[in-house]
Amino acid sequence: QSALTQPRSVSGSPGQSVTISCTGTDSDVGSYNYVSWYQHHAGKAPNLLISDVTKRPSGVPNRFSGSKSGNTASLTISGLQAEDEADYYCSSYAGIYTWVFGGGTKLTVL
Amino acid sequence: QVQLVESGGGVVQPGRSLRLSCVGSGFTFGTYGMHWVRQAPGKGLEWVAALSFDGARDNFARSVKGRFTISRDKSKNTLYLQMNSLSVEDTAVYYCAKVLAGGYAFDVWGQGTTVTVSS
Repeated sequence: QSALTQPRSVSGSPGQSVTISCTGTDSDVGSYNYVSWYQHHAGKAPNLLISDVTKRPSGVPNRFSGSKSGNTASLTISGLQAEDEADYYCSSYAGIYTWVFGGGTKLTVL
Repeated sequence: QVQLVESGGGVVQPGRSLRLSCVGSGFTFGTYGMHWVRQAPGKGLEWVAALSFDGARDNFARSVKGRFTISRDKSKNTLYLQMNSLSVEDTAVYYCAKVLAGGYAFDVWGQGTTVTVSS
């Protein structure tokens, strides 16, 4: 149950695109298409952005998209907006009814 | 609307116990798997425990296994986390989260309840 690996921080200017990576192992990200992504503003409840690698819940802007290759999943945010500044976490099902989160990435909108 | 509200947090001494509660509303509580996720001060989210919709299956993070138990009362739309032998490392905001229908993601989260383990 080691945490998935995410970059500690990323940044971009308004209108630009950024990609956050999430690297796991053959036991979690690599074995299941059950990677999800969350946006977390301090002091608030986390918000689901992407489920099952690529699925976007209703209400989530299509600026947010997910993908996966091998043991690494990615979240891309296009057309950056000031309100996108937050912490972002990936999560993966890891088998035998366990889950694992990434360490989190702080997104700064310059 | 769909909502989860946690309670039961507080300040507790190392070695003591605490029980957290999470009341769900706006959805059929008994048909969804439920989880606890925590965030220690200055740290990221950590998955803690899971319980299936029918209470038949559960599992825990290695860091809490053998000390924490998870349960649910369908009649009260309530999820519980019994935390025993608490240590300072258990200090965190604890969130309950509902599983997305048919999936493995967490689509509804509570606002969290704070647990501080300190002597």
